[in-house]
Amino acid sequence: AQRVTQPEKLLSVFKGAPVELKCNYSYSGSPELFWYVQYSRQRLQLLLRHISRESIKGFTADLNKGETSFHLKKPFAQEEDSAMYYCALSLMFSGGYNKLIFGAGTRLAVHP
Amino acid sequence: EAGVTQFPSHSVIEKGQTVTLRCDPISGHDNLYWYRRVMGKEIKFLLHFVKESKQDESGMPNNRFLAERTGGTYSTLKVQPAELEDSGVYFCASSEDERRGQSNTGELFFGEGSRLTVL
Repeated sequence: AQRVTQPEKLLSVFKGAPVELKCNYSYSGSPELFWYVQYSRQRLQLLLRHISRESIKGFTADLNKGETSFHLKKPFAQEEDSAMYYCALSLMFSGGYNKLIFGAGTRLAVHP
Repeated sequence: EAGVTQFPSHSVIEKGQTVTLRCDPISGHDNLYWYRRVMGKEIKFLLHFVKESKQDESGMPNNRFLAERTGGTYSTLKVQPAELEDSGVYFCASSEDERRGQSNTGELFFGEGSRLTVL
């Protein structure tokens, strides 16, 4: 069965410290993985997707198929990074749509 | 451009009552999804519409939940009768149709959610 695991409910760091939010997945097919973020009083929004291999707001995430992981990293955390982060596995269907399987989320708190 | 809008933002009802949540997707998005996050749990898929048709309703918890999307525009999710365990945040999301050649990177655009509290 498809599953996304985020082992940490809360990650608390100081400004300027490195950040790694862990995500592991279980999926027999070729995975498409995303990180979504929800800032305080804002809607859930896409942060980055693995296929684009881009850096957004200083965050990067590398898909490691051997370890079935898609950890989110940032070398120097900023206070404005404080938010709820969700790792999501996208299941694509031939009907032209996709279904997201979410992890439980990790709350990142960056302290001054 | 307006994003996905949901109404109400918060609803407090008593057990046994009925609540109807509404979602207006981004204009032109054929795909519309409902998700739910109950306290402390992950965001879970409820169902998916393509235009007015239910494509996948495998995540609907039971027959107390009824979703409609008449005319393929806005959607409603009715809970009748509501139970305590229905409390949570209900998210609506929309996306483009990949088949029509629109760019679809798999991204879903979410509304701000409707928080339901059942007392």
